[in-house]
Formats: sequence, C-alpha cells, structure tokens
Amino acid sequence: QQPVQSPQAVILREGEDAVINCSSSKALYSVHWYRQKHGEAPVFLMILLKGGEQKGHEKISASFNEKKQQSSLYLTASQLSYSGTYFCGRSTEGNEKLTFGTGTRLTIIP
Amino acid sequence: DAGITQSPRHKVTETGTPVTLRCHQTENHRYMYWYRQDPGHGLRLIHYSYGVKDTDKGEVSDGYSVSRSKTEDFLLTLESATSSQTSVYFCASGSLTSGEQYFGPGTRLTVT
Repeated sequence: QQPVQSPQAVILREGEDAVINCSSSKALYSVHWYRQKHGEAPVFLMILLKGGEQKGHEKISASFNEKKQQSSLYLTASQLSYSGTYFCGRSTEGNEKLTFGTGTRLTIIP
Repeated sequence: DAGITQSPRHKVTETGTPVTLRCHQTENHRYMYWYRQDPGHGLRLIHYSYGVKDTDKGEVSDGYSVSRSKTEDFLLTLESATSSQTSVYFCASGSLTSGEQYFGPGTRLTVT
C-alpha cells in the first residue's frame, strides 16, 4: 500500500509555514522526500534513516517517528519557489525499492 | 546534477504495438528504476535493476519487461501497448541507502 500523505493540497502566502505528513502502514526503514514542479522530474529533498540519520538540503527539516511509522516535512518561511508537489517515499529494511505516497500539492502565493 | 537521460521524450503509439523506452545514466550507479506517474497515483515502481542483467518487479509490473545489458542503460518494453499504459514514465538511478535517486526528465507516452 502507498503511504498516505496529508494534506492533499495546501495554499499558503509567502512567509507562512507548512507541515506535510506521511503515514505508512508498513514498518519504515527510511523515508525520502521529493519535490516536483509541474512538467519536471522529481528532485531529492531529504532522506531520513531508521536510527536518526538525516541527509538533505540545509533549509529543509523533517522528522521521522519509527514507532508511529510517520514522517513530517517542515517548510518554514515559505518562498514562491517552494511551490510544487511533494512526495514522500518509504523503503523497508533490506529493500532498495521506494513506495511513494500520492503527493501533496503546495501553492505559495505572494 | 547526475547525468540521466531518457528517450524518446514524447511518443504516440497505437494499441497493440510494441514500445521501448530507453534510460541512460553516466554516473555508474548500480541501481536503476522505472516509474510511471498518473494523476491521483503519484509515482509507482514498475521494475528496478540492481546490476547488469539483475532485475526485479515493482508494484505495477504487469505488461512491462526490462533489460539491462550495460551499467549505463536500462530499457523498458511494453510488449503490446494498451490505453491503460498511457502515462508519464520516469527513469531514476542511485541508491536508496546511500542517499538519493536522480530522476530523468520523463517520457510522455500516449497509447491511442
């Protein structure tokens, strides 16, 4: 089953904060976050690994709750360039396959 | 950015015809992936490869086959295209455990 993302869509004014959630029905080994702008390829934002390790861009933060099988992506002081669809992907242990959620469309308006 | 290209970028084909999409990467990545993207479904894994001639199925593999004869190339074949295979196809390379997947620009396939 695909991870469930919430909200499905959100509209913010520039400078506001946003939280995007990702819930999995399967045990998580890692969670990956990507952003995709319309008509373009997904671009990597962050990976969170079981055990607490994180790799990603400096201006993006995220959390990973292994017990609840959830991850959240935090976008602070949003900029127009943050607009796009955000996808979380989860992998299970020992598995090199990602299962993506259905996405959260974020629109930033001036 | 990783060098990953896809060809063709756009293709229109008729139901029942075979179609091959090509993915080429220049980063010497061991892992390569094919996804399809449809409205309301996000990205779904079709097949992936963990080395030359080593492939495995993803969640939506029916009707698709893949081949990898060289590290840099990963081919996706639709043996007999159907209208349900109209989609945008993305190739990716990279390792999940070491970091990120790099996505190609995508191929928009329309089956009429």
